Amino acid sequence: GENVEQHPSTLSVQEGDSAVIKCTYSDSASNYFPWYKQELGKRPQLIIDIRSNVGEKKDQRIAVTLNKTAKHFSLHITETQPEDSAVYFCAASKASASKIIFGSGTRLSIRP
Amino acid sequence: DTAVSQTPKYLVTQMGNDKSIKCEQNLGHDTMYWYKQDSKKFLKIMFSYNNKELIINETVPNRFSPKSPDKAHLNLHINSLELGDSAVYFCASSPGTGYNSPLHFGNGTRLTVT
Repeated sequence: GENVEQHPSTLSVQEGDSAVIKCTYSDSASNYFPWYKQELGKRPQLIIDIRSNVGEKKDQRIAVTLNKTAKHFSLHITETQPEDSAVYFCAASKASASKIIFGSGTRLSIRP
Repeated sequence: DTAVSQTPKYLVTQMGNDKSIKCEQNLGHDTMYWYKQDSKKFLKIMFSYNNKELIINETVPNRFSPKSPDKAHLNLHINSLELGDSAVYFCASSPGTGYNSPLHFGNGTRLTVT
């Protein structure tokens, strides 16, 4: 079955710097890659997603890139702010699998 | 309006008891899920229902029994609770019948078994 690995498990960056979180997936048939942000004590919420027919997608300070050949995708956050501190989860799915598989999460801390 | 609402928010109970968590979504979605998040924050799918039919049962002990009376509701009943069941349980929903669409999570139920 699908396996999603996520790195790093923790990440600390200076406010204003960029943060990058990387994920790899095992099933080449996966075609949907969402990213979720979970603030402390809250529910996970979708922040951006990308489908396999697109190589990159951007939404203000957040961007996601996908390399289908290498089976990896990354989340990029630029000009980080204190409110970006949270746990971020990557995930992968394919229509026939009936489920979304999550990575193990990255705890991002923004240093003032 | 809360799109995916689950109750209770907190549940503290003793080993061996039976408890239920309720979930309702008002988004008109066809698919609902239960996820378990342990102390290390891993999000693991437990069950998935599509239009009241069970689609996924991820080798969850049969002490856990989901029930979907209609496509807007997915409840979780747990028998004979064990210490290892302590976790945050999230209900979620997604549109359509495909699984490459965003999940909308409820606010979670923190279950503590003592």
